[in-house]
Amino acid sequence: DIQMTQSPSSLSASVGDRVTITCRASQSFSSYLNWYQQKPGKAPKLLIYAASNLQSGVPSRFSGSGSGTDFTLTISSLQPEDFATYYCQQSYSIPWTFGQGTKVEIK
Amino acid sequence: QVQLQESGPGLEKPSGTLSLTCAVSGDSISSSNWWNWVRQPPGKGLEWIGEISHSGSTNYNPSLKSRVTISVDKSKNQFSLKVSSLTAADTAVYYCARVSGYSGYYGMDVWGQGTTVTVSS
Repeated sequence: DIQMTQSPSSLSASVGDRVTITCRASQSFSSYLNWYQQKPGKAPKLLIYAASNLQSGVPSRFSGSGSGTDFTLTISSLQPEDFATYYCQQSYSIPWTFGQGTKVEIK
Repeated sequence: QVQLQESGPGLEKPSGTLSLTCAVSGDSISSSNWWNWVRQPPGKGLEWIGEISHSGSTNYNPSLKSRVTISVDKSKNQFSLKVSSLTAADTAVYYCARVSGYSGYYGMDVWGQGTTVTVSS
């Protein structure tokens, strides 16, 4: 199985801050990487697919980059509705695997 | 608008079998998408369980494969999950999700709202 490791596990930030979350894979797989946002009590929501492609309807302040084993999710200017937990997920090989999550909290 | 809706008992006994159904609306279960199950234990992260295609092809997480069966019912436009030999570790929110392809890349773009299953005697 491909192991996905996110860092940090949690962070505190203020509205308007630039936030960066990192995801590292245990093996290289080009751009087969997705990012999801999950709010408490809700299902995850697809934000970014294929490492850098914004899902329809997702605000442009979200962006993704990376390839191989190292990937990044960036929120350019944090908004109140962005406080949530973010997960990366590889779609390169079965079993699909997720990172452990990064919780973004209000400072 | 595509919607997925999970249904099934919320409480199961240890050693029993969990059965959940995901009803699909706004899309055909016979489309080229894959239909997935993901679970999330209380306070923990996401774990992929398995998936099924419209033709009935399946992929399972090896960690659960011996206990999991996913099936599709085209007449009802729904798919189902069975997990046997339940233990407390199977207590989780269970989500169904659609996996769509984007030029060879795949993402879970539509999710159900989730259903909580508790395994307890």
